[in-house]
Amino acid sequence: AQSVSQHNHHVILSEAASLELGCNYSYGGTVNLFWYVQYPGQHLQLLLKYFSGDPLVKGIKGFEAEFIKSKFSFNLRKPSVQWSDTAEYFCAVNEWGKAAGNKLTFGGGTRVLVKP
Amino acid sequence: SQTIHQWPATLVQPVGSPLSLECTVEGTSNPNLYWYRQAAGRGLQLLFYSVGIGQISSEVPQNLSASRPQDRQFILSSKKLLLSDSGFYLCAWSPRASGNTIYFGEGSWLTVV
Repeated sequence: AQSVSQHNHHVILSEAASLELGCNYSYGGTVNLFWYVQYPGQHLQLLLKYFSGDPLVKGIKGFEAEFIKSKFSFNLRKPSVQWSDTAEYFCAVNEWGKAAGNKLTFGGGTRVLVKP
Repeated sequence: SQTIHQWPATLVQPVGSPLSLECTVEGTSNPNLYWYRQAAGRGLQLLFYSVGIGQISSEVPQNLSASRPQDRQFILSSKKLLLSDSGFYLCAWSPRASGNTIYFGEGSWLTVV
């Protein structure tokens, strides 16, 4: 069974600092990759996704992620964070071509606190 | 546009009581439907998914069950709640085609006392 690992459970940083959240998955086939974000008091929403093509994916709010197939990684980055980026971030993977269910496997999440 | 709603948003139930969380999707037809549970530090765990009316797949053994009586309605139930059932439950949907984005509802906080 596939699994998704997010290396940091908590990250604290100051505004304008750069952010990088690690995500690794354990599936050898073709995958679709996602980053979801959950702001305080809000529901989960999609930040960005990778299905195919350019491995550097741009998402909303200045986030980007790079798919490195050889490293089974899909790290999330933002060059300069804002206080409003305080949230919990989830990496997720599903197996491309699975006909039934379209199931996502999630990482454990990383809580990011940006200090003003 | 498509929307997803689940209710109630919060629920406090005694041990041994029944549970019913309801979820509906609007603006689409024949979606895949999901129930996830979110536990602190453990991400989201898929509990059930459904590819059609009456078709339910369970991902983990548990005290809960799911039903899909209508195309866009998904219900999470229990006959007798346990303390360990407390948590945050999320309903979600995705278009039928494989690999599509999954969209989440607002979530329901369940506290079993």
